[in-house]
Amino acid sequence: ILNVEQSPQSLHVQEGDSTNFTCSFPSSNFYALHWYRWETAKSPEALFVMTLNGDEKKKGRISATLNTKEGYSYLYIKGSQPEDSATYLCAFAGGTSYGKLTFGQGTILTVHP
Amino acid sequence: EAQVTQNPRYLITVTGKKLTVTCSQNMNHEYMSWYRQDPGLGLRQIYYSMNVEVTDKGDVPEGYKVSRKEKRNFPLILESPSPNQTSLYFCASSLEGGGRPYEQYFGPGTRLTVT
Repeated sequence: ILNVEQSPQSLHVQEGDSTNFTCSFPSSNFYALHWYRWETAKSPEALFVMTLNGDEKKKGRISATLNTKEGYSYLYIKGSQPEDSATYLCAFAGGTSYGKLTFGQGTILTVHP
Repeated sequence: EAQVTQNPRYLITVTGKKLTVTCSQNMNHEYMSWYRQDPGLGLRQIYYSMNVEVTDKGDVPEGYKVSRKEKRNFPLILESPSPNQTSLYFCASSLEGGGRPYEQYFGPGTRLTVT
């Protein structure tokens, strides 16, 4: 089983703070890196799918970068709002098959008003 | 409305009684996948399918079977459920192209309890 790690495990910030999390994944046999946002009592929703080294993606106040050579991706949230409170998951597509996805355990973000 | 549906949403069953959790998508997606979510372990892939009649094991396939006879459906079969299969199950689908799955759309989840 491939090792995909996310840090920190949880994070508490104040409304308006900017924050970032890390996803570390194997640097070989890479196909794609996915980011999902998972709110309590809902299903995960896709944020980004990144495939190229140096990729940067942005959706509103959320952005992500990708470094496949060293095996990490950063997710940034600018000016956090209480509605950003959720678990943020990354998933590595690769290894023995590009259809195989290995998820990290997630970063739980709580934004306090 | 584009969606992934799962049935049932909640199920309590007994050890050894065969069950099937259905998953259906209406987006003409090639790729479908099953995951289980357990506290402290995150989402773990059980099986996935790149297209009709093409299935492969994820990280935790033991005790599960799948089939992909039609593009829209990807049922998860537990031939002889055991208490350690008590979990929250998600089905997901996505387009597949360029050698990799695109962003996945998740179903609402099925909460399974095996006693």
